[in-house]
Amino acid sequence: DAKTTQPPSMDCAEGRAANLPCNHSTISGNEYVYWYRQIHSQGPQYIIHGLKNNETNEMASLIITEDRKSSTLILPHATLRDTAVYYCIVRPGLTDKLIFGTGTRLQVFP
Amino acid sequence: DTGVSQDPRHKITKRGQNVTFRCDPISEHNRLYWYRQTLGQGPEFLTYFQNEAQLEKSRLLSDRFSAERPKGSFSTLEIQRTEQGDSAMYLCASSFRRGTPNTGELFFGEGSRLTVL
Repeated sequence: DAKTTQPPSMDCAEGRAANLPCNHSTISGNEYVYWYRQIHSQGPQYIIHGLKNNETNEMASLIITEDRKSSTLILPHATLRDTAVYYCIVRPGLTDKLIFGTGTRLQVFP
Repeated sequence: DTGVSQDPRHKITKRGQNVTFRCDPISEHNRLYWYRQTLGQGPEFLTYFQNEAQLEKSRLLSDRFSAERPKGSFSTLEIQRTEQGDSAMYLCASSFRRGTPNTGELFFGEGSRLTVL
């Protein structure tokens, strides 16, 4: 499985965009990029995933570079409830398990 | 509530005792996963099922750990002769596999926290 590298922590002001980077330089062609988050004392929650194209849903946007070696998760208007650990995961399309790293702890402050 | 439910939410036991956790997945989901999470770490994959078949087990899953999903619905994770190092959050997740490639998201429960004294 390709490994990912994320900064251990980030801060963001409430109402501003939170941009969470992820490096996955060894990603291969059939591997998807997934983002999950985990709010304290809860199970992880799916946010978004993509293969090559940028994706957007009601929670976030995912920007994947053209060479697919890195991606950015964008929370357009962060709220205090977005304070959580965010995990970037590379998942082969033929496998069903997710391999989590240590993620980025995002702190949104007032 | 139609999400993934886990029971018990908290369990305190003495070293050497056996414990069992139960997971009820979302009803139409055919895949069920168990993960373990210790403080400050991301969840670690333990095992997963498709219906009643256990398809993969991690090397982390020692002989003291056993998981079942007898009728393809709920699952149990049993830990025998618990050790202090087993103290962790045990997370269950479920998904619906639609085919290849499988991009179905995993839905996680809130976990069962085990403390071994």
